[in-house]
Amino acid sequence: DAGVIQSPRHEVTEMGQEVTLRCKPISGHDYLFWYRQTMMRGLELLIYFNNNVPIDDSGMPEDRFSAKMPNASFSTLKIQPSEPRDSAVYFCASSPDEWGAATGELFFGEGSRLTVL
Amino acid sequence: AQKVTQAQTEISVVEKEDVTLDCVYETRDTTYYLFWYKQPPSGELVFLIRRNSFDEQNEISGRYSWNFQKSTSSFNFTITASQVVDSAVYFCALSEAVTNAGKSTFGDGTTLTVKP
Repeated sequence: DAGVIQSPRHEVTEMGQEVTLRCKPISGHDYLFWYRQTMMRGLELLIYFNNNVPIDDSGMPEDRFSAKMPNASFSTLKIQPSEPRDSAVYFCASSPDEWGAATGELFFGEGSRLTVL
Repeated sequence: AQKVTQAQTEISVVEKEDVTLDCVYETRDTTYYLFWYKQPPSGELVFLIRRNSFDEQNEISGRYSWNFQKSTSSFNFTITASQVVDSAVYFCALSEAVTNAGKSTFGDGTTLTVKP
């Protein structure tokens, strides 16, 4: 069975450019999470969706960040304009249902490593 | 607020040594879940174990064992007879079932290096 699929795996861009990260959750999973991992702040939850609806975006750093989930099999995290401090590994994770989400049952993708020069 | 503390930033051992990774948590919920994840050099996060707050039984899985003690708010992870392949960053995480349902909090991780 396919796990959570993220693309691109690596992205190098210049400050000011728009960055779009993509995620395909495990089929049938109702919850999708975006996490960011940096040396300074560790793993932080940015936003999560339930049935394609954003539930909590309190972790989104600022207006430059936006996330969408147009359907059950696809989500994007967009940064516009990007800044060097956005350099991090961005993980997408999915969870099968409310119980899984409440109990922290997360299936992670391999991450997208972003470098903003 | 939920919080997870992994006081050990880095640990280095020689192969076949036993090693314990510490995890201390804070929560106001009575129902919560604790996790350990492994992040090998390749970068992905691999789920290792989940325990709920009502089950304090220790668990053993091969060379891995976990000691959950509510009295000290700790959920420690021991690797017996460590191997080079155990080298990774290990994260402890907490998920409150009510107050912050869906929002797992991760510790800062402990980097384990196992030398041959």
